[in-house]
Amino acid sequence: DSGVTQTPKHLITATGQRVTLRCSPRSGDLSVYWYQQSLDQGLQFLIQYYNGEERAKGNILERFSAQQFPDLHSELNLSSLELGDSALYFCASSAGTGVQEQYFGPGTRLTVT
Amino acid sequence: AQKITQTQPGMFVQEKEAVTLDCTYDTSDQSYGLFWYKQPSSGEMIFLIYQGSYDEQNATEGRYSLNFQKARKSANLVISASQLGDSAMYFCAMRAMDTGRRALTFGSGTRLQVQP
Repeated sequence: DSGVTQTPKHLITATGQRVTLRCSPRSGDLSVYWYQQSLDQGLQFLIQYYNGEERAKGNILERFSAQQFPDLHSELNLSSLELGDSALYFCASSAGTGVQEQYFGPGTRLTVT
Repeated sequence: AQKITQTQPGMFVQEKEAVTLDCTYDTSDQSYGLFWYKQPSSGEMIFLIYQGSYDEQNATEGRYSLNFQKARKSANLVISASQLGDSAMYFCAMRAMDTGRRALTFGSGTRLQVQP
């Protein structure tokens, strides 16, 4: 158990809908990262937050947004969903100092039908 | 830009034998970190081992060791005494260490199957 929690574990929704994925980092970790894992794109970085502020953006679509709240949990919002958004979405967290290895949550498997 | 290449889509190894999973990388960063993660069939990503670009010694964590050859830009994972539970996907990843860019860049992964 990495200490990172993600809910829900599975999500099935229809095209055009909007969903929210939730992540709670390990206790004390200030950084949260979101990654998408799909068969055709592999593991891709989406976005990073540090202590409530956006730090870096990767290949995140404009239909996607995220935020980190004062209690450090984070949410990833996916809207106008398309079939191609079906993927495993991971949240990871790291400490603010040192090696800052990232610990991953169990992921949310999103299926868009 | 950073790039990770894992050229072995799949590997087989006999239980109790050692296996090496290959990873080469490319980066313009002077200071960087290399990471290996394990993804079992259950889906979670498990951090295994880390090597810093300025570390002189190869990293080891239990049965895992990282064969780091900086001049060749390779960071191969060696698993000694393979166990059935080692069957999984293995991902090599890297990130810059001296900038705000903390995101990991991943390779395409190697599926390891340990045979009894």
